Amino acid sequence: RKEVEQDPGPFNVPEGATVAFNCTYSNSASQSFFWYRQDCRKEPKLLMSVYSSGNEDGRFTAQLNRASQYISLLIRDSKLSDSATYLCVVNSGAGSYQLTFGKGTKLSVIP
Amino acid sequence: ETGVTQTPRHLVMGMTNKKSLKCEQHLGHNAMYWYKQSAKKPLELMFVYNFKEQTENNSVPSRFSPECPNSSHLFLHLHTLQPEDSALYLCASSQIQGTQETQYFGPGTRLLVL
Repeated sequence: RKEVEQDPGPFNVPEGATVAFNCTYSNSASQSFFWYRQDCRKEPKLLMSVYSSGNEDGRFTAQLNRASQYISLLIRDSKLSDSATYLCVVNSGAGSYQLTFGKGTKLSVIP
Repeated sequence: ETGVTQTPRHLVMGMTNKKSLKCEQHLGHNAMYWYKQSAKKPLELMFVYNFKEQTENNSVPSRFSPECPNSSHLFLHLHTLQPEDSALYLCASSQIQGTQETQYFGPGTRLLVL
């Protein structure tokens, strides 16, 4: 089983749509969870950390389900500028600062 | 912009060449990382340095040799590479504290081995 598995994508959605990305992770000892965004031919950049209680940042909402080892990202009112690859990232266990990245899901927002 | 710079941004080298990638972070962080990103593969962690000490080496071939002279600088020395080593090499840094920490990436060096 892959350590961090994401929706295969690509997701092609119209502007204004709501889109959800899902991610599962295999290491039950993981304690830190993130969504990164990577634009074409650019470096990954942190989009948001994911907390147990769930968290929201503007149009973005992240949820964590530790029992199911499942993380989600919801984007509301998609903008053209949201087009990118979204990477699900978890750390390797308690006290570990080693991060494991998913392959990413590509999102294209279409006018 | 991100506080982590990498040079060169692009590199083409033959299999017999020796080259070095450089990374510098201006964020005051205490940990630095090298990652490899190949097409259609997730980022692969290569090396981790914490307070200048190498703490992780994820089974990376010896043709890749890291060096961390201080907490702000990180090098990746390359020699006798193979064409399959062609990839984007990303440097990152972070401040290790607690369990929830963010890694900040440099723009990467796009390497082509001929």
